[in-house]
Order: sequence, then C-alpha cells, then structure tokens
Amino acid sequence: QSVLTQPPSVSAAPGQKVTISCSGSNSNIANNYVSWYQQLPGTAPRLLTYDNGKRPSGIPDRFSDSKSGTSATLVITGLQTGDEADYYCGTWDSRLNVVVFGGGTKLTVL
Amino acid sequence: EVQLVESGGGLVQPGGSLRLSCAASGFTFSSYDMHWVRQATGKGLEWVSYIGTAGDTYYSDSVKGRFTISRENAKNSLYLQMDSLRAGDTAVYYCARSTITRKGLEYWGQGTLVTVSS
Repeated sequence: QSVLTQPPSVSAAPGQKVTISCSGSNSNIANNYVSWYQQLPGTAPRLLTYDNGKRPSGIPDRFSDSKSGTSATLVITGLQTGDEADYYCGTWDSRLNVVVFGGGTKLTVL
Repeated sequence: EVQLVESGGGLVQPGGSLRLSCAASGFTFSSYDMHWVRQATGKGLEWVSYIGTAGDTYYSDSVKGRFTISRENAKNSLYLQMDSLRAGDTAVYYCARSTITRKGLEYWGQGTLVTVSS
C-alpha cells in the first residue's frame, strides 16, 4: 500500500492529452516538492518534472505538472506511442522522514 | 556526462549480507545528495535510503537497522551495506542523484539485481 495514490492505468489516443493524478496528505504533497518519473519498459526511471514545473534538460514541454493541496497532477499533451510507460509521482514525507512514491500508473497510447 | 554505475548485486541466501556500490562520474559527487531505490520484478518503485552531502542518513522502515548507506567522496562512490537479507529484499537496486535543489531524483543508474533465495 503506497503512501501516495495513483490510478493503476490511464489511456488515450495519439495526439490527445492525458492527466495522471497523485493523491497524498499534508505531511507529503501539501508541504513538499513533487517530482514525476517515467519508466519505459526494461529501463531505469527518468525524471520528468520537479520543483513546481521544472523540467530537466531534454524533457519536452509536452510534460507539465501542477499541485493543489494534497494532490498533484502530471499532464502529457500531444501523446506519442513512445510515451507508453509507467509513471510515478514522488515526494518527501515530513512526518515519516522518508521519500515516498506512488504505486505507479501505466499509460497506454491506443 | 553524468554516469552512475551500480555493482555488487547477486544471489545471496536469507540472512546473508551484500554490499552494493555506485560509481559516480561527470559531476562533483560531494556536492549532491544520493539515494538508493529498489524495484521488485513487476512492482513499483520503493525508496530505500538517502545520504546527504553532510553525511546525514535516512532509511525506509523496511530496511532500518539492517541496511547502512555510506559515501566516499574521495572515490566518488556510494555504498549500501545490506545485512540480514530477506526474500522480500529481492529487487533491482538503483542509485540515484538528487537535483541540486534536493527536489527530485535527477539521474539514475542502470540498476543491479539482488536475489535473496536459498
């Protein structure tokens, strides 16, 4: 049982937009940074967004995030077949003093 | 180019020990917080441990008291000493580097597989 809650799966057609939610609490999402990761099959995770909308070099602006209260959202626009992957949210939990991840969301591009 | 290369994984019996290493290059290792994250086959990411630039450490409840994280800045290396291993510790172990703002895990190694089985 993950501290952060994500939907197990989402799907959308190529070119469309998809949102992935991440629900937490006051001790984690509400008062700490949220970061999002993409894990393509058989590869290590890759940081997509962090620190309220920042993107590492090389991450296209099709990937964006937002946060409101105890929830965060990853938005992917202009979906491509290459976006099919597992997506994870992560943050620090100030009560537990640990990093916590969501359970992951599998994105299918139909 | 930032590179993180893990090593030291393998097959170990329950109750045994293993020491993972992560060789870092392409950045000033001493200036960044580092993490270990693991992933069992077919499962999600599970954070294991953190070490800050000042040597401060944190652990997940599942490994606290059994695992020890350390770093050797002179050798640009991160370590995870794993003792009293259990079947539930079987996973791919990744080392990861924080962003400079400490608000995400920016670079990840390719992972090393640890299998705990008799």
